[in-house]
Parts: sequence; structure tokens; C-alpha cells
Amino acid sequence: DAGVIQSPRHEVTEMGQEVTLRCKPISGHDYLFWYRQTMMRGLELLIYFNNNVPIDDSGMPEDRFSAKMPNASFSTLKIQPSEPRDSAVYFCASKRQGRETQYFGPGTRLLVL
Amino acid sequence: GIQVEQSPPDLILQEGANSTLRCNFSDSVNNLQWFHQNPWGQLINLFYIPSGTKQNGRLSATTVATERYSLLYISSSQTTDSGVYFCAVAETSGSRLTFGEGTQLTVNP
Repeated sequence: DAGVIQSPRHEVTEMGQEVTLRCKPISGHDYLFWYRQTMMRGLELLIYFNNNVPIDDSGMPEDRFSAKMPNASFSTLKIQPSEPRDSAVYFCASKRQGRETQYFGPGTRLLVL
Repeated sequence: GIQVEQSPPDLILQEGANSTLRCNFSDSVNNLQWFHQNPWGQLINLFYIPSGTKQNGRLSATTVATERYSLLYISSSQTTDSGVYFCAVAETSGSRLTFGEGTQLTVNP
């Protein structure tokens, strides 16, 4: 059974450019989470979806960040325009309804120059 | 929001030693998970343990919910146990997890 898939694994971009991160959750999982990990702030939840509907986006830092989940097998996190302080590792995770264990993808390492 | 404190922040062991990692949280929780982040950055769920004790091989965890702490035990440590161990909690089921700052474990051969 495939795990959570994220792409790209690494992204280097210049300040002001649009960045799109992609995630495919584990098949059959109803919840999808986007996290960000930095040295300064640790691991923090940005947003999570249940059955493709955003439930809690209080962790999204500002309007430059947006996330969508058009169907049960795909989600995107977009940053427009990107800034150097957005440099971090972005993780996607998923879980099944009724279970609490979250399964993380390998992460996307983003560097904004 | 709920606060999560992990101790110690850093731990260095010789292979074969045992260790105990601690997680304190500031409020009642309905969800507590332990994760291991290996040196390549991959996060692996070790335990879902809002209360009670669980064991998986050389690892075991105990959560005393009434006293707001959880312990992760690693026995006969191996170099592959190196990495960062995170405790994460949520006040209600299905809600956002708050992560601690982690314990950096280094196991030397």
C-alpha cells in the first residue's frame, strides 16, 4: 500500500515566484493535513481537510498561502508570492476517519532565495 | 492553546543503553501521539496513546492522562534509533495536533 506522496521533494525558487506543493493521501483516508517545519517554529499545522472540506485553516500564516483539495486523492498548497521566510519543509499527512494515527509524507524542502 | 514540553532536549547514548523521554502537556488531551523523525527527515508514527501503556518491540510508551504526562522508553538502543522524537497532542479527537519541540537522540556505536 503506497504511503502519502508529495511532490516535488525539493524546490528552489526566487522571491516573488508562485510555488505549488502537491500531495496524494493514502487511499481511503478521509483527513488530510498540511504542516510546516522550521528551526524557529518547529512543526506547526497549517490547515486540515475532512472529506475534501477545509476544517481548520487557522494555522495558515497569511493570505499568500492557500490550499485546495479538489478530490479525495489530491491536494495542493500554494504560496503566491513566495518570500525567503517561507523556506521550510512542508509535510502532508493523512488519516482515516475514526482513527487518530497520522501518516506523514516525505516532505517538500522549499528554499526561497 | 495547549502547551507541550519535552525533555530532555538532547540525549546522547551508547548503543545498548536504555532511555526515557518525557512529554508534559498543559491541559487534558484526547489524543497523544509519539513520532520519530529519522536523520533523513521522514516522520514515522510510533504510538497513538492518549492513556495507558503500549509496547512495540524495544519501544514502549505510557501516558498518565490525569497527571498530564507521557513517557517513551527505548531499550537496548541501536544507532538506527537516532533522530528526533516528537510528542504531539490534541484536546479533542479529530482536531489539530500540537507538537512539542522534540528530543534529539544520538546513539553512538
